[in-house]
Amino acid sequence: EAQVTQNPRYLITVTGKKLTVTCSQNMNHEYMSWYRQDPGLGLRQIYYSMNVEVTDKGDVPEGYKVSRKEKRNFPLILESPSPNQTSLYFCASSLSFRERGEQYFGPGTRLTVT
Amino acid sequence: GNSVTQMEGPVTLSEEAFLTINCTYTATGYPSLFWYVQYPGEGLQLLLKATKADDKGSNKGFEATYRKETTSFHLEKGSVQVSDSAVYFCALSDGSGGSNYKLTFGKGTLLTVNP
Repeated sequence: EAQVTQNPRYLITVTGKKLTVTCSQNMNHEYMSWYRQDPGLGLRQIYYSMNVEVTDKGDVPEGYKVSRKEKRNFPLILESPSPNQTSLYFCASSLSFRERGEQYFGPGTRLTVT
Repeated sequence: GNSVTQMEGPVTLSEEAFLTINCTYTATGYPSLFWYVQYPGEGLQLLLKATKADDKGSNKGFEATYRKETTSFHLEKGSVQVSDSAVYFCALSDGSGGSNYKLTFGKGTLLTVNP
């Protein structure tokens, strides 16, 4: 089954404790992206990747890091999480940046930073 | 820069009512337009798309027409069902390329359909 998987689905952590949210897709997609969803703000892009080893900032990259060492994986790293990073996070992928309008989304990771 | 503006929600309808969710956009170049749907507890799913002016996208009884003259892409459905209760997002991708390699979303509109 074609899908985007994220882990963990739920995470409660404390300020300053480094964490990684994994994202993996099995569709051989080139383009991958991370979003955060907050009430009243909708969906905002954090980082995106056009292909392996090519990443760039989205609208709200502060406090986040990403890497794209393999085509299928695109982890999101919070090196020193803060409470304002409490949010619902989605990973998504598409065939290429040209098809970025047709993204497949993962199920989401709900992060709480206390 | 690019932007998408959706009607404020929430929208509450009775089953079989007519639905319209307004979406207008600002973009450089010739954008493609999309509607995504997010059911409770799930990720977003592409609902329909239109890639050029006057195109009509349709899926699952939903329709939207790309109107360049009014920069709009309103979502409509003739008869909603309880199962259509979800958050709906309008989005655009700028076809001009350049450095704009992202998808721009509206803030979403929550639809609740009552039996």
